[in-house]
Amino acid sequence: EPEVTQTPSHQVTQMGQEVILRCVPISNHLYFYWYRQILGQKVEFLVSFYNNEISEKSEIFDDQFSVERPDGSNFTLKIRSTKLEDSAMYFCASNRDRFSDTQYFGPGTRLTVL
Amino acid sequence: DAKTTQPNSMESNEEEPVHLPCNHSTISGTDYIHWYRQLPSQGPEYVIHGLTSNVNNRMASLAIAEDRKSSTLILHRATLRDAAVYYCILRDQGAQKLVFGQGTRLTINP
Repeated sequence: EPEVTQTPSHQVTQMGQEVILRCVPISNHLYFYWYRQILGQKVEFLVSFYNNEISEKSEIFDDQFSVERPDGSNFTLKIRSTKLEDSAMYFCASNRDRFSDTQYFGPGTRLTVL
Repeated sequence: DAKTTQPNSMESNEEEPVHLPCNHSTISGTDYIHWYRQLPSQGPEYVIHGLTSNVNNRMASLAIAEDRKSSTLILHRATLRDAAVYYCILRDQGAQKLVFGQGTRLTINP
């Protein structure tokens, strides 16, 4: 069964550094998402992406965040200048089309900011 | 986003049925009821969804009240692998994002 993959599984960085989290969505999917989950808290929506542009973003997704689909397979989340409070699990998700009922999530990248 | 209310935690025994309730009294006519679960140290996983009628799939059943203000996810025969946080989510048709609440942490006793 096709699945969403994410790399790396764990990223440790220093405060102020830039990080790029990578995702490979399911190949025929058109909608892509990033969510995050701070330890012990609920899963929070960050951004949705379709047709090479952001379709919706949350208040969390401020100017330090950006997303990109640099080629036909990867979907990336960049955090320009990491803060301690960016430490969280970041999940990538995808679904086939606008009316698809199921979002498929990756296993997540644990980001630790020191 | 319409709100859902779930118990913080529930406990059941292996091989017994589990009924996970969800209240959504402010549901609108175009909201679908989705259930996802999150196994320990994993990303969320789709379980089932429905609009008005009860639904069955290989993982679970979804029973929806006639007024749609509540629903119940039914695991017919729980296994240890079903221990997870279960999220009841309302999603408007055509909406993209999922809005997660705190969910119900289900513990399965051997």
